[in-house]
Amino acid sequence: NAGVTQTPKFQVLKTGQSMTLQCAQDMNHEYMSWYRQDPGMGLRLIHYSVGAGITDQGEVPNGYNVSRSTTEDFPLRLLSAAPSQTSVYFCASSYSGSDTDTQYFGPGTRLTVL
Amino acid sequence: TQLLEQSPQFLSIQEGENLTVYCNSSSVFSSLQWYRQEPGEGPVLLVTVVTGGEVKKLKRLTFQFGDARKDSSLHITAAQPGDTGLYLCAGTADNDKIIFGKGTRLHILP
Repeated sequence: NAGVTQTPKFQVLKTGQSMTLQCAQDMNHEYMSWYRQDPGMGLRLIHYSVGAGITDQGEVPNGYNVSRSTTEDFPLRLLSAAPSQTSVYFCASSYSGSDTDTQYFGPGTRLTVL
Repeated sequence: TQLLEQSPQFLSIQEGENLTVYCNSSSVFSSLQWYRQEPGEGPVLLVTVVTGGEVKKLKRLTFQFGDARKDSSLHITAAQPGDTGLYLCAGTADNDKIIFGKGTRLHILP
């Protein structure tokens, strides 16, 4: 199993550009989520999904869109990047999203918006 | 708003020393999880504590969940350089969304 994979590893954007951060898991997990990690702020939940076709907002959803057309994939879209979105983005998955489930994290995407 | 406060924010100690880091809240959590994150990687789950007063051991790491399920601690005995990393606690809030503390950055000096 590859676990949770994320691409790209690094990305630099100009303000106003759009892009999609890819996330895939091969563990047949129902629950997937996106976090951003900023210095001094910890991990903050952006969006999450409890299964294919179902998504919901987390703590900091503004400026980001998600979709979940398959169990395996959960892309995060930035429609018009802003410098405030400079961060490290982590995708995670777990079997059911229960608070006792193990969440598996990807290696992260480091995004810089100029 | 439910918050998880972690302390200390930074800790640098010599190899072989013992240490304790804390995760505190004014709210009750049904469970808390501890993660370790190394530079350039995602967090990795160390343990989940569920029952108030529960103690779990993972080699030299001892995790405790407070009796009232509002706080947790991580004690490391005889710290090793391999213990260096960012330690994060996480819990599920009342709205079923997972929240993380800001972490304790631990550095063990050889």
